[in-house]
Amino acid sequence: SQQGEEDPQALSIQEGENATMNCSYKTSINNLQWYRQNSGRGLVHLILIRSNEREKHSGRLRVTLDTSKKSSSLLITASRAADTASYFCATDSNSGYALNFGKGTSLLVTP
Amino acid sequence: DGGITQSPKYLFRKEGQNVTLSCEQNLNHDAMYWYRQDPGQGLRLIYYSQIVNDFQKGDIAEGYSVSREKKESFPLTVTSAQKNPTAFYLCASSIRTDTYYGYTFGSGTRLTVV
Repeated sequence: SQQGEEDPQALSIQEGENATMNCSYKTSINNLQWYRQNSGRGLVHLILIRSNEREKHSGRLRVTLDTSKKSSSLLITASRAADTASYFCATDSNSGYALNFGKGTSLLVTP
Repeated sequence: DGGITQSPKYLFRKEGQNVTLSCEQNLNHDAMYWYRQDPGQGLRLIYYSQIVNDFQKGDIAEGYSVSREKKESFPLTVTSAQKNPTAFYLCASSIRTDTYYGYTFGSGTRLTVV
């Protein structure tokens, strides 16, 4: 089944720096979503971008979508230690019935 | 507060046993999902349900079974036919299954075979 692939697998930065994660996918989509997972917990929905949108903001989050390159990026600005988590992109399948998740990017923000 | 509750948080299963993971939501969501997560891996879809008394297999349904007798509940049974059940299991719900809505996840159940 279609699955997004995040890049890099792991990212370590210092507080105050920006963190950028990328997601690539294989087939056409209706929308792309980003989720966050703290260790040992469930996922939390961060932001959804539709296929006809190119950029979306939510607080310190900025998401871009390039459907011609089948890729998306998540930018977290002015990162904080509390941003330490794994971040997953999720895409809908052609049937649109359930989301397909990538393997995630593990982000570590050190004070 | 509305939410989705998974229980138990930790579950231990002996070889050859069936175990059932509970998932309850009070969000009035139509759609519910079960995913499996292995260490360092993404989420893989086991089953999903769009409405009561209806459910469909996901990518890795073998060795699992579900029921959807009530809108609020979507229990997952891990049968003895599942050869490698040790994993983190996540239940989620959404308003509908047309994926224009974000999912709400439970806190997960960690299943270990002993």
